[in-house]
Amino acid sequence: AQSVTQLGSHVSVSEGALVLLRCNYSSSVPPYLFWYVQYPNQGLQLLLKYTTGATLVKGINGFEAEFKKSETSFHLTKPSAHMSDAAEYFCAVNTDKLIFGTGTRLQVFP
Amino acid sequence: KAGVTQTPRYLIKTRGQQVTLSCSPISGHRSVSWYQQTPGQGLQFLFEYFSETQRNKGNFPGRFSGRQFSNSRSEMNVSTLELGDSALYLCASSLVQTGTLDEQYFGPGTRLTVT
Repeated sequence: AQSVTQLGSHVSVSEGALVLLRCNYSSSVPPYLFWYVQYPNQGLQLLLKYTTGATLVKGINGFEAEFKKSETSFHLTKPSAHMSDAAEYFCAVNTDKLIFGTGTRLQVFP
Repeated sequence: KAGVTQTPRYLIKTRGQQVTLSCSPISGHRSVSWYQQTPGQGLQFLFEYFSETQRNKGNFPGRFSGRQFSNSRSEMNVSTLELGDSALYLCASSLVQTGTLDEQYFGPGTRLTVT
């Protein structure tokens, strides 16, 4: 069965620092991969989705993700963190349903 | 275009009662999926409806049920509520059924508290 693993339940960075949130998938075929963000007391918002054939996917709010088949990874990055990026981030794979990772809570310190 | 709406936003029920939650998808979307989010179990898939038919079901007891109407609006029902049913219930809609690159759009959720 396909799944995703997010390493690190909490990540803390300073404002302006690089954000790196890790996601590894298990799949024998090109997966349908997504990153969602959840702000407090809100639903999930799509950040970006994997596009077949692409290695670097750009999303909203300056986020991007690199698809590495050799490492079965789809890590999320942002060059410079902003206070407003503080939220919980979920990696997900779409099989016959969306399967989510356990989430990574991002804290941004001034 | 209006987003996914869920009603009510907050609900407090007593053990043993039943509850019905409602979800209105984005106009034109035919697939509606439901998820339960708890601190302990994270985000778990409940079921998906597409064109009024349940297409897929997660690993939840039969107390959890749902349906979809001809206008794609969906309801989920939980009978004989237990304390462990306290959670944020999220609804998501998409143009086509899951298992594709078509993204799901989420509503704000219904926060259910069972006392």
